[in-house]
Amino acid sequence: EAGVAQSPRYKIIEKRQSVAFWCNPISGHATLYWYQQILGQGPKLLIQFQNNGVVDDSQLPKDRFSAERLKGVDSTLKIQPAKLEDSAVYLCASSISGRTYNEQFFGPGTRLTVL
Amino acid sequence: GDSVTQMEGPVTLSEEAFLTINCTYTATGYPSLFWYVQYPGEGLQLLLKATKADDKGSNKGFEATYRKETTSFHLEKGSVQVSDSAVYFCALSPNGGSQGNLIFGKGTKLSVKP
Repeated sequence: EAGVAQSPRYKIIEKRQSVAFWCNPISGHATLYWYQQILGQGPKLLIQFQNNGVVDDSQLPKDRFSAERLKGVDSTLKIQPAKLEDSAVYLCASSISGRTYNEQFFGPGTRLTVL
Repeated sequence: GDSVTQMEGPVTLSEEAFLTINCTYTATGYPSLFWYVQYPGEGLQLLLKATKADDKGSNKGFEATYRKETTSFHLEKGSVQVSDSAVYFCALSPNGGSQGNLIFGKGTKLSVKP
């Protein structure tokens, strides 16, 4: 079974530029999550989708971050414009459903460096 | 709000030593508790979980017991191996069930020397 795919794996941009990350979850997984992991910290949830609807985006900085999951499969996360403090690893995860007991499967992450 | 606190690292042990990584949590209601592991160069993966008080999760020789009275979920292994070197994250999923988002601790880096 293929795992969660993410691209690109690494990205370096200047501040005020825009960037987009892509995630392809495990086939059949209804729930998709985007987490931000700053160096030395644990991942923090940015947004959770159930199929193509948003369940929780309370911690998403909506003035600069946006995310979509068209057709309930792939998802993209965009930052526009980027700030220095956005330097982090962006993790995508998926699960069969959003229930607490369902295991989340994580992708390898995209490491973003903002200069 | 809900939160997870785990012991600071890094932790360095010799092979076959006993491992404990402390984890305590703050949450309303009855969260589910997890340990995730991140091996060098790999993504996060679930190590073990417990969904109710007094449950014991176990996998690959690791164990953790959900202690509601002490709000703890300490990770233990009786004899570590070099291959256990990784970063370990304690996490909770808040009460409610319909939203499975995870709240993570900061992670504890474990290095096991031969």
